[in-house]
Amino acid sequence: AQTVTQSQPEMSVQEAETVTLSCTYDTSENNYYLFWYKQPPSRQMILVIRQEAYKQQNATENRFSVNFQKAAKSFSLKISDSQLGDTAMYFCAFIKLYTGANSKLTFGKGITLSVRP
Amino acid sequence: DSGVTQTPKHLITATGQRVTLRCSPRSGDLSVYWYQQSLDQGLQFLIQYYNGEERAKGNILERFSAQQFPDLHSELNLSSLELGDSALYFCASSAPWQNYGYTFGSGTRLTVV
Repeated sequence: AQTVTQSQPEMSVQEAETVTLSCTYDTSENNYYLFWYKQPPSRQMILVIRQEAYKQQNATENRFSVNFQKAAKSFSLKISDSQLGDTAMYFCAFIKLYTGANSKLTFGKGITLSVRP
Repeated sequence: DSGVTQTPKHLITATGQRVTLRCSPRSGDLSVYWYQQSLDQGLQFLIQYYNGEERAKGNILERFSAQQFPDLHSELNLSSLELGDSALYFCASSAPWQNYGYTFGSGTRLTVV
């Protein structure tokens, strides 16, 4: 079974600064995807960024980038130029590939990020 | 609008009662997933349906059941409700063989009093 661990329950960052959220995972699989989801106060779950395990290049989406270390099973999210709208809970998630229709996302417990003005 | 529709948005009911939560997946998505989010447990996978068939079960209580209908909408039935069932229930949908990312609905906030 796969597990996803987010050990930091809360973080805070000053507006315009950079913050890194940590995530580790445990799996014996070689083919998988990793995700970061954002849950703002509205409670909607929003996909932030996705990383395919077979890709060595770290994914980037505008101000969001990841540091994917496959051997270390580490998947951190870096938010640059933090904005007030980034205040949210962030979840790291894992999914096995090639399971056909039986794919299932496994989530970490999440980290609450507060951006200070 | 994510394309995944959940109704109702809020539900308040008494202990011992039964409720039904409804989910319409994004157009073209065959898989529907139900998750429960409570304060102390994070996002817990409950059950998955694919094109009308149950495909995977997670930590779903026997008091809970679900189904997916021919039009692909899904219902999650919660019965003999307890105070501890109060949570946010999410539905998500996905299209296999594509990007493996789920699209989530806005959730149903269930409060059991």
